[in-house]
Amino acid sequence: RKEVEQDPGPFNVPEGATVAFNCTYSNSASQSFFWYRQDCRKEPKLLMSVYSSGNEDGRFTAQLNRASQYISLLIRDSKLSDSATYLCVVNMRCYNTNAGKSTFGDGTTLTVKP
Amino acid sequence: DVKVTQSSRYLVKRTGEKVFLECVQDMDHENMFWYRQDPGLGLRLIYFSYDVKMKEKGDIPEGYSVSREKKERFSLILESASTNQTSMYLCASSPGGRSYEQYFGPGTRLTVT
Repeated sequence: RKEVEQDPGPFNVPEGATVAFNCTYSNSASQSFFWYRQDCRKEPKLLMSVYSSGNEDGRFTAQLNRASQYISLLIRDSKLSDSATYLCVVNMRCYNTNAGKSTFGDGTTLTVKP
Repeated sequence: DVKVTQSSRYLVKRTGEKVFLECVQDMDHENMFWYRQDPGLGLRLIYFSYDVKMKEKGDIPEGYSVSREKKERFSLILESASTNQTSMYLCASSPGGRSYEQYFGPGTRLTVT
């Protein structure tokens, strides 16, 4: 079983739709969580952090459920420009360094159509 | 804005050559990372560094080494390139402390023939 699992999709939705992605993680000691966006042939870019209390940034809402070990990303009023691959990232603090070891999901592909 | 740059966008090397990939960040970040990204396999961590001259193996270090002589620069070395090292290589940096978010460079697409 992978440490971080995402539904690969693809999700094909019309403009204006609401779409949600889930991501599950296996290590209950994981400490911090992020969503990244990756456009075709580009590098991943940080979209938002995920907190237990939830995090909202415009049309995007991220949630963390520690008990069930999953994180979610909700996109409201989808735009054509939201078409991308969305990666969830789970971090563990390394015991002997101050670096976090990040495990990336394989990504969920979203295509927003006119 | 955080800026992470990589020495080449595209690189073609022959089997057996020694390959250097360089990464520079301008935000005084403590931590730097090298990943490779392959279709169907996602992003996999090769090595990371949490301080100058300090390094840790990631999930797939075999066939690679790294060097961090200065805080802003992190190099990935393929001692003897092989065709199965053809991939997209991504460098990232993160602030350190309790800040784990990573900022990526544009990537180097390496082809080994």
